[in-house]
Amino acid sequence: DTAVSQTPKYLVTQMGNDKSIKCEQNLGHDTMYWYKQDSKKFLKIMFSYNNKELIINETVPNRFSPKSPDKAHLNLHINSLELGDSAVYFCASSQRGTLNQPQHFGDGTRLSIL
Amino acid sequence: GESVGLHLPTLSVQEGDNSIINCAYSNSASDYFIWYKQESGKGPQFIIDIRSNMDKRQGQRVTVLLNKTVKHLSLQIAATQPGDSAVYFCAENVSFSGGYNKLIFGAGTRLAVHP
Repeated sequence: DTAVSQTPKYLVTQMGNDKSIKCEQNLGHDTMYWYKQDSKKFLKIMFSYNNKELIINETVPNRFSPKSPDKAHLNLHINSLELGDSAVYFCASSQRGTLNQPQHFGDGTRLSIL
Repeated sequence: GESVGLHLPTLSVQEGDNSIINCAYSNSASDYFIWYKQESGKGPQFIIDIRSNMDKRQGQRVTVLLNKTVKHLSLQIAATQPGDSAVYFCAENVSFSGGYNKLIFGAGTRLAVHP
């Protein structure tokens, strides 16, 4: 009954490879997000999608390409991985509406670049 | 006590004491604020929120105070327990056209509860 689930939980790969992280939410929310958390625990938004439409792109390198096949899924594909991409990536979702609602987070994907 | 340095600020408290975690936010236009708790290996977990038309909100053992004049937010945890040990983040919500919004997170404070 996990609300926001990400796979894989851990991802270890070589520099220069291409990898994908998947996210699914079963909360019926219409907005999904990707965040990056660095080694100092600083959390920063990368992307936001609403009903499969890109809403926020926080000047993330174009090696990062989010894809939303439907409103319950938001995947993140990363090309040509670099050492600086090592971080924990969190997916989140929320419901857009008149009154703000909190975002619900997955448990993260820890990406380590060798 | 509280320490700030190159590492995440840490607040150390004794079990049973009250904890107060502070946060300064940056955007006067922020209209909604959330406190999250992050345990090791987990994602941020919602604790409590407050809208900008309020200055105090209480939950179970937690209270959030909002001072818009000085752009300050605090989280008070009553009778702190070992299970409260985690990193706590404040987040400010910035709304923009179309009914969309984004969260801007603070740097985080590590709460260490000692028996």
